[in-house]
Amino acid sequence: DTGVSQDPRHKITKRGQNVTFRCDPISEHNRLYWYRQTLGQGPEFLTYFQNEAQLEKSRLLSDRFSAERPKGSFSTLEIQRTEQGDSAMYLCASSFLEDSPQHFGDGTRLSIL
Amino acid sequence: QKEVEQNSGPLSVPEGAIASLNCTYSDRGSQSFFWYRQYSGKSPELIMFIYSNGDKEDGRFTAQLNKASQYVSLLIRDSQPSDSATYLCAVNYGGSQGNLIFGKGTKLSVKP
Repeated sequence: DTGVSQDPRHKITKRGQNVTFRCDPISEHNRLYWYRQTLGQGPEFLTYFQNEAQLEKSRLLSDRFSAERPKGSFSTLEIQRTEQGDSAMYLCASSFLEDSPQHFGDGTRLSIL
Repeated sequence: QKEVEQNSGPLSVPEGAIASLNCTYSDRGSQSFFWYRQYSGKSPELIMFIYSNGDKEDGRFTAQLNKASQYVSLLIRDSQPSDSATYLCAVNYGGSQGNLIFGKGTKLSVKP
């Protein structure tokens, strides 16, 4: 069990650029979640997958955001035309069942210049 | 709207004391409850989870759940300076949803 892996750990980009993050969940976990966390707040849910199916998206997930999990293994989160307000820590978590504990990766810290 | 409330703190306790962290949630349909520890600049780390009313103990940690009062707490016995962190309470409301609703966290400071 190597844990949830996220890449990159840090991303600095200019406003208006596109960015993509990757998450590799714990291998036997069917469920994969994306959250966003800003300073002083708890993580906020963005979207989740069960295997390759995207089952729910938060209202926070504007049309500039898209997530995929093409083969039910790793997932990518893309943000198009980044804005200052997108600066945050993007967290990926995985779990085995819907009410099983979720285990988080180290996160990707996004900074928009 | 489903909410999870925590006192933001900071909560300061002396080394060796019991730290008590509290959390309330808004929806009676909540299924499962989690406590995460988060050090500054790091990601949340799961430390306890509880599904049924009552107490659950794991080492120095005890989670307490009272569904009638919609209240969940975390006790840390023999607090150590290394326990200084933000503690996040998270609730899974179950059903078709699997995502967690988090509180804003309580910052704990354990003084040597």
